[in-house]
Amino acid sequence: DTGVSQDPRHKITKRGQNVTFRCDPISEHNRLYWYRQTLGQGPEFLTYFQNEAQLEKSRLLSDRFSAERPKGSFSTLEIQRTEQGDSAMYLCASNSNRQGQFFGPGTRLTVL
Amino acid sequence: AQRVTQPEKLLSVFKGAPVELKCNYSYSGSPELFWYVQYSRQRLQLLLRHISRESIKGFTADLNKGETSFHLKKPFAQEEDSAMYYCALGEGSNYKLTFGKGTLLTVNP
Repeated sequence: DTGVSQDPRHKITKRGQNVTFRCDPISEHNRLYWYRQTLGQGPEFLTYFQNEAQLEKSRLLSDRFSAERPKGSFSTLEIQRTEQGDSAMYLCASNSNRQGQFFGPGTRLTVL
Repeated sequence: AQRVTQPEKLLSVFKGAPVELKCNYSYSGSPELFWYVQYSRQRLQLLLRHISRESIKGFTADLNKGETSFHLKKPFAQEEDSAMYYCALGEGSNYKLTFGKGTLLTVNP
């Protein structure tokens, strides 16, 4: 296990298309987080899972965004009808209990 | 609302000089503070947790609740310390993180 992995690393799409990103957390971690980072900003929290339960969603997560963690292992983040404002780095992180979070390399989304 | 402020976007020092990266926070509860570092072309990595009270790569940070600060310090900067540094506040039972905007540290030879 080499840490949190994310796929794809880069995604270019046209406005209006749907995209899906995948995150594989560190295997023994029960908590999984999604963040979004735009240029010049720190990461911003989007949503959080404990095992398979989605326990919190940010107001940043509009109705076009949906996240799942079906078996409490990997997670997917889907964006429907993408807009140019969705262009950002999408980061996944995981941890257990009261640890600091371990981040993946991110998926960079560009919406044309 | 919870907030993390890193007042310096850029900080440049010479090798061997002391460095201090500032972080202030606002939070009504009992905060958990972290420093994360991102080296060029690498992922975000945890550097320090205030709970651990440890020194990593020569860096230390002390939580000052009176001043609501968690400044990161190193007495003698090295060129390999050049990176983006983010201060983060952990909230509530889910420990979601609120990040500052980051400080880009450059250590010149």
